[in-house]
Amino acid sequence: RKEVEQDPGPFNVPEGATVAFNCTYSNSASQSFFWYRQDCRKEPKLLMSVYSSGNEDGRFTAQLNRASQYISLLIRDSKLSDSATYLCVVNQGGKLIFGQGTELSVKP
Amino acid sequence: DADVTQTPRNRITKTGKRIMLECSQTKGHDRMYWYRQDPGLGLRLIYYSFDVKDINKGEISDGYSVSRQAQAKFSLSLESAIPNQTALYFCATSGTTGAYNEQFFGPGTRLTVL
Repeated sequence: RKEVEQDPGPFNVPEGATVAFNCTYSNSASQSFFWYRQDCRKEPKLLMSVYSSGNEDGRFTAQLNRASQYISLLIRDSKLSDSATYLCVVNQGGKLIFGQGTELSVKP
Repeated sequence: DADVTQTPRNRITKTGKRIMLECSQTKGHDRMYWYRQDPGLGLRLIYYSFDVKDINKGEISDGYSVSRQAQAKFSLSLESAIPNQTALYFCATSGTTGAYNEQFFGPGTRLTVL
């Protein structure tokens, strides 16, 4: 079993749609959680950290359920520029463990 | 100027050759990392270093070695390259304060081993 698993996608959605990505992790001792975004084989960049109480940044909402070892990312009102691969990331002792990524394609 | 730089950006080499990938950072971070990315597998950690005197193996260190020459420099070597080391390689850095340290990535090195 992979340490961090995501829906592989791809997700193809129209502009304006709401899309949700799910992620599960296997190590209950994981300390912190993130969503990174990666454009077309460029370097990953931090989209947002995921806090236990849930957090929102504009159109993006992240949720964490430690009991279920589950992380989610919700994107509202999708834009063409949201097209990218979204990486679920877990911090274990200062090392980041990456999921394989979920590809999102937003169409006009 | 970019905070994390990698050289070369692209490299084609032959099986059995020794290759060195270099990473430099101007962020003043103590922690540095090397990852490889393969289609469908996400990023996998090769080696990491939490300070100049610290080197640790990651998930897939076999066939690789590293050198932390200074706080700002962390190089990855393939002693004898093989075709299944063809991948996109990323260097990253992070600070040391707290669990929510962001990692900053270099632009990547695309390596092809023929």
